[in-house]
Amino acid sequence: GAVVSQHPSRVICKSGTSVKIECRSLDFQATTMFWYRQFPKQSLMLMATSNEGSKATYEQGVEKDKFLINHASLTLSTLTVTSAHPEDSSFYICSARDPRDNQPQHFGDGTRLSIL
Amino acid sequence: AQTVTQSQPEMSVQEAETVTLSCTYDTSENNYYLFWYKQPPSRQMILVIRQEAYKQQNATENRFSVNFQKAAKSFSLKISDSQLGDTAMYFCAFMKHYNNAGNMLTFGGGTRLMVKP
Repeated sequence: GAVVSQHPSRVICKSGTSVKIECRSLDFQATTMFWYRQFPKQSLMLMATSNEGSKATYEQGVEKDKFLINHASLTLSTLTVTSAHPEDSSFYICSARDPRDNQPQHFGDGTRLSIL
Repeated sequence: AQTVTQSQPEMSVQEAETVTLSCTYDTSENNYYLFWYKQPPSRQMILVIRQEAYKQQNATENRFSVNFQKAAKSFSLKISDSQLGDTAMYFCAFMKHYNNAGNMLTFGGGTRLMVKP
């Protein structure tokens, strides 16, 4: 079964809206979670590393004021796309490492965000 | 910084035949890990196979095997007896090392594989 749960799976909203995406680790604690963005027919690009109890580490070119990350507990990280615009439409995927197994990361099922 | 390159954007293969997907990478690390991930139309990320750089033996998982050439920094995936369910995007990925908290993966651009009946 899934060890990382991501919600919602699909969001359609109007331009200017802020959208929150949740990523939960099930049955294990994740001090670090990763947020990726994937455009159609392209690869996963790491946006930021979410650290429990401290500030997220953003990759170069990712606006931290645009993509707010909160990792307030050991099982939950949230990504908020603030004042979303059509160019923010994309597929967002989170991941986390379960220290009980040898998979480098377990991925959520992703969130398809469409901004009208 | 590490880079991962997949030079084949799209490939196709007949069902039951064999196909090889290419991947090259660049790193200054001596010890690291390489992976192939499958992303079917459902968009789930599924780990197919892993290779530890310190191991000379090529990894094998059922119909999937790799050809790891460390000196050439090459890591190709061979799929034998291709099945329709193998149709997906395939991503090669690099990771420096494991730790309990997790370490970032660097992905290649992907290869879209179509298995034809």
